[in-house]
Amino acid sequence: AQKITQTQPGMFVQEKEAVTLDCTYDTSDPSYGLFWYKQPSSGEMIFLIYQGSYDQQNATEGRYSLNFQKARKSANLVISASQLGDSAMYFCAMREGKDAGGTSYGKLTFGQGTILTVHP
Amino acid sequence: DAGVIQSPRHEVTEMGQEVTLRCKPISGHNSLFWYRQTMMRGLELLIYFNNNVPIDDSGMPEDRFSAKMPNASFSTLKIQPSEPRDSAVYFCASIKGFRSSGANVLTFGAGSRLTVL
Repeated sequence: AQKITQTQPGMFVQEKEAVTLDCTYDTSDPSYGLFWYKQPSSGEMIFLIYQGSYDQQNATEGRYSLNFQKARKSANLVISASQLGDSAMYFCAMREGKDAGGTSYGKLTFGQGTILTVHP
Repeated sequence: DAGVIQSPRHEVTEMGQEVTLRCKPISGHNSLFWYRQTMMRGLELLIYFNNNVPIDDSGMPEDRFSAKMPNASFSTLKIQPSEPRDSAVYFCASIKGFRSSGANVLTFGAGSRLTVL
């Protein structure tokens, strides 16, 4: 079973509008972290935002916010006031508290990604 | 800090040749990860190290792939012999901490784009 599912292969948004990129996850570990990374056409992986499973409030970082719905196991990324430079691939990723070895070393499991295109 | 440094950035080789990809993690980071990115399979974890010791290599696709971390500042991923299906972007990433928690972020290198003809 997929641990991270991103159901939107591609999304389009008009400049200055908000857009939501979906992410659902699957884990039985009570301690986990959820991350979003941006990959522009140049190829680098850029960290955007983090949400811990025990965090009471949704994470925010500038124009990025994470709509964390624990019961639904969803961690959607919301980008407000989209800019042309936001056009990129976006990955949702999960770090579980423990892996098979009993200790998490920070490894991330990634979803398939969503390509976001911002139109002028 | 210079970040995670990978070399080469681009490699074009012929089937059957040996390929060695190199990675220098961020100083002080003690866990290192090798990922592979393809259109078909997305981002896959190949292998990761903690304190230079391989922890999990279950993602390594086959015996043609090997990885080493002889010291805290250097790791290699070797493919011998290479095949066209190995064409991908290979990322190295590092993180500080034995037990990663909180907003401890995995930092990626720029990637090595491998093309096997």
